[in-house]
Amino acid sequence: TQLLEQSPQFLSIQEGENLTVYCNSSSVFSSLQWYRQEPGEGPVLLVTVVTGGEVKKLKRLTFQFGDARKDSSLHITAAQPGDTGLYLCAGGEVKAGSARQLTFGSGTQLTVLP
Amino acid sequence: SQTIHQWPATLVQPVGSPLSLECTVEGTSNPNLYWYRQAAGRGLQLLFYSVGIGQISSEVPQNLSASRPQDRQFILSSKKLLLSDSGFYLCAWSVTFSSPHTIYFGEGSWLTVV
Repeated sequence: TQLLEQSPQFLSIQEGENLTVYCNSSSVFSSLQWYRQEPGEGPVLLVTVVTGGEVKKLKRLTFQFGDARKDSSLHITAAQPGDTGLYLCAGGEVKAGSARQLTFGSGTQLTVLP
Repeated sequence: SQTIHQWPATLVQPVGSPLSLECTVEGTSNPNLYWYRQAAGRGLQLLFYSVGIGQISSEVPQNLSASRPQDRQFILSSKKLLLSDSGFYLCAWSVTFSSPHTIYFGEGSWLTVV
């Protein structure tokens, strides 16, 4: 069973600060997705990275996939209260054609204080 | 575009009563379908997945069951609810044999067993 560990579990920062969330595993993934979830709602896909070393930017969010495709990071620049939420990483299994496709991390609860 | 809906959004049920959560996907054919459960503010636990009508795979032994009577309909059921069944349930779908493996979630259903 592939496992994904996210850190930190909880993060509370002031508006305008920068932060990084990490997603680590000893297993190789074919892809890595990041989701954001607000209370009482389903997770919403932010980005998918598929190539080792790949970097994607989404406004103030920067996502990186590790060279060995075992880890990923999410960096937020100048955080805003609207960034508050639960951030989940999910790794796609290397085995193709499997319906059981994603392994989810335990999540990072981010709170950005105004 | 594809959409996914699940209902009811909130449910309060007594111990021992039955359960039926429904989920439908529109705008795609032959999707993979999933039921997840999420503890408060934490990661997702895969309960069931389905690659086609009548095809259900269970990931964990539990008091719940799933059915797929139609291509784009997925139902989560229980004959007798337990207190431990309380939680946030998420239905999700993905494109069959897609790469990268991206899963899209419904709005979620809060179940409280009292």
